[in-house]
This record gives sequence, structure tokens and C-alpha cells, in this order.
Amino acid sequence: DAKTTQPPSMDCAEGRAANLPCNHSTISGNEYVYWYRQIHSQGPQYIIHGLKNNETNEMASLIITEDRKSSTLILPHATLRDTAVYYCIVRSHSGNTPLVFGKGTRLSVIA
Amino acid sequence: GAVVSQHPSWVICKSGTSVKIECRSLDFQATTMFWYRQFPKQSLMLMATSNEGSKATYEQGVEKDKFLINHASLTLSTLTVTSAHPEDSSFYICSARSQVDNSPLHFGNGTRLTVT
Repeated sequence: DAKTTQPPSMDCAEGRAANLPCNHSTISGNEYVYWYRQIHSQGPQYIIHGLKNNETNEMASLIITEDRKSSTLILPHATLRDTAVYYCIVRSHSGNTPLVFGKGTRLSVIA
Repeated sequence: GAVVSQHPSWVICKSGTSVKIECRSLDFQATTMFWYRQFPKQSLMLMATSNEGSKATYEQGVEKDKFLINHASLTLSTLTVTSAHPEDSSFYICSARSQVDNSPLHFGNGTRLTVT
């Protein structure tokens, strides 16, 4: 899997949008961008994934640049429960390949 | 949505004993499941790939005789930590993916193992 680069930590005020960046400059054409988060002492939770178009679901929005070398996960109205480590992972969609986790971004939502 | 269940959520055992952790896909079939380990303040590390009906594939540095994996059905994989030692204390997490197209990997809620 291609390597991703994320800032180690970020703070966000409660109620504001949290924008988490991710660089994946070596992504290949068949690799998707996946975002997961891990709240303390729980298993990772799937958030969203995309190939090249922007995606939105009930949890978040994913903005992928036109060259696909970077992306941003947007939590539109962060709450205290969104405090977690957020992982950006690129992975081929074919077959049964595992997810390879980097260090992620520790997001702290502050009241 | 797809749900992966792990049991137990936590276990304390004495050094030298064996512990079995179960991973079930509750509403889908999974020919492949993955086992991860996470030490405090570290990221998840892939241990092995569990394949239904065949031998597991282990990552470099993971002892296959110590971490026994059995994937006897399309909804159940088990990880047995044999002759556990304090250094095996960790957070063990499994994941699985529905065979439905475009389905992401889903994770269990993990098992906290403490070896005393």
C-alpha cells in the first residue's frame, strides 16, 4: 500500500468543522483512500472512502484533490465524541488486502 | 451495516496458560479475516491473515506456533495465544470484509489481554 502522511495531532473547537489533511503522493490508479477512526480502547471505525470523486455520508465528507495526491476529511460540526485518532489509508480495492495503519492524527475536540 | 463481534472484550490470564479469542462476522460471510495487535500508544500492527479452510498467513516476526489461528467457517476465526507471557499483553483486534462489492473492512471492538 502507498504510504500516507498525516499531522500527528490537531485541535478543534466543539461545533466547528474539523478538517483533517492527508498526503498520499504515491497513490496508484486503482487505490482508494479510506478513513477510519479509533476512539480510545475500541476497534477502528470505518468513516468513508473514495477513489477520485468527493464523497459525503452521514458522518463526514471526503475531498480528494484532482491529482489524487492528497485528501481532506471534514467533520462538519465536531463534537466531544469525535475525539479520536483518525487514520488515512490507501488500499487497492481488489482482493482481500488488509489495511496497513500509519500513526494517524489525534484529533482533540475542545469544549 | 456489517458487524464484526469479538469475544471476550477483555481477559486476564496467568503466565504459561493459553487464551482463545473469537472473531465473528454477524451478518455476512468472510472468507478472509485479519488479526491485528496494538500496544499502548502505538498504531495497529497486522499479525496475520486468516483464510477460511486453509492455513493462515503470518507477518514477519509473528510466531505461528505461538499465535494459532483457526478459520473453520465463513463467519468465525479464532486466535489462540499459547503459553502466554506478560509481553503478550496487548489489544488484539480482528477485521473482516463482506464479499459485497465496494464493502470496506470492518473491525471488532478488540480484546484486551493482560498476562500476569
